[in-house]
Amino acid sequence: KNEVEQSPQNLTAQEGEFITINCSYSVGISALHWLQQHPGGGIVSLFMLSSGKKKHGRLIATINIQEKHSSLHITASHPRDSAVYICAVPDNYGQNFVFGPGTRLSVLP
Amino acid sequence: EAQVTQNPRYLITVTGKKLTVTCSQNMNHEYMSWYRQDPGLGLRQIYYSMNVEVTDKGDVPEGYKVSRKEKRNFPLILESPSPNQTSLYFCASNRVGTEAFFGQGTRLTVV
Repeated sequence: KNEVEQSPQNLTAQEGEFITINCSYSVGISALHWLQQHPGGGIVSLFMLSSGKKKHGRLIATINIQEKHSSLHITASHPRDSAVYICAVPDNYGQNFVFGPGTRLSVLP
Repeated sequence: EAQVTQNPRYLITVTGKKLTVTCSQNMNHEYMSWYRQDPGLGLRQIYYSMNVEVTDKGDVPEGYKVSRKEKRNFPLILESPSPNQTSLYFCASNRVGTEAFFGQGTRLTVV
């Protein structure tokens, strides 16, 4: 079964800082997902990427398939970015997700 | 608007009283799944469905049932809830290999 690790587990930043969250996994995959869970509990999908880099606004996600590693970057962080960020990869059969433990981000004004 | 709708958002119930959490998606997705999220354990899959009338167990299926009679609906049934099923539940749908859409979550408390 694919094992997914994230670092750091918790992160506190000042508004405006550049933030990086890392995700590594044990088994080669076709695509990796980054999810954001708001303090109210809802989960939204931020990115699905299979190679290279994707950018949405201040969020940038990169993946290195050979190294089995992905990073989520937030530029010019804002308190509204405070959330739990979760990476997810397909399981061995490609049908279901295996989730990382999440990174809890707090951005202070 | 593409969405996954779960109901109810919050539910407090007593041990043994059957309940159903509904999940509906409007994107004609084949794949739907249920997860529970507990502190320190992350998201764990309960059941999933690849299409109508096709369901299978996830990692933590004990105490739960599901059905998929229509493509858009995937209800989660707790026949006899117990306190260890107190959790935050999420329904999700996607086409296999594409990004997932999650419901808003159902916070269930069993007393």
